[in-house]
Amino acid sequence: GAVVSQHPSRVICKSGTSVKIECRSLDFQATTMFWYRQFPKQSLMLMATSNEGSKATYEQGVEKDKFLINHASLTLSTLTVTSAHPEDSSFYICSADRTGGNYGYTFGSGTRLTVV
Amino acid sequence: RKEVEQDPGPFNVPEGATVAFNCTYSNSASQSFFWYRQDCRKEPKLLMSVYSSGNEDGRFTAQLNRASQYISLLIRDSKLSDSATYLCVVNWGAQKLVFGQGTRLTINP
Repeated sequence: GAVVSQHPSRVICKSGTSVKIECRSLDFQATTMFWYRQFPKQSLMLMATSNEGSKATYEQGVEKDKFLINHASLTLSTLTVTSAHPEDSSFYICSADRTGGNYGYTFGSGTRLTVV
Repeated sequence: RKEVEQDPGPFNVPEGATVAFNCTYSNSASQSFFWYRQDCRKEPKLLMSVYSSGNEDGRFTAQLNRASQYISLLIRDSKLSDSATYLCVVNWGAQKLVFGQGTRLTINP
């Protein structure tokens, strides 16, 4: 089945620094990947859609200059949280699909970001 | 109205019980529907897709009512390992998934 790898699984960083999270599709090519954020006891909220070879599409309220997305190849998308602040502490999860979304999506294992 | 709405629970039921979750969605154009389960501090994992005719996978049965924009999940003979948060997920178009807030289930021995 489809495998999506996400790295790192956990990161602690100082306020003001930037953090890069990688999402890889291991056994398929993903022209589209998705980045979600989940705060404690809340559901997943879509942040942006990452498109291979073009600009990402951001959801309303998500700052594109703060959450930089790069999808330079068919198997890798990266999310960089720039100038992180404690309120950015959250669980970030990527997902990808090779069936156009009709049969569900596979999620990466998530990255727990803590900004101190 | 929320895009995808679920009863957050928590549901606490004894092992062996039958439990049902409900979900409503607001986008009448949605075509794909799913139930995911999420364990604490883990990523969501696909439990099953939901089809108009209803579908069953072992102890799990999913139903879809397009007219009422309503989805359900039934778990029979619940096991301790069924304890998790169950997420109702709707494909909103253009491959965008919208998640309900999740229903937390605890199975008690």
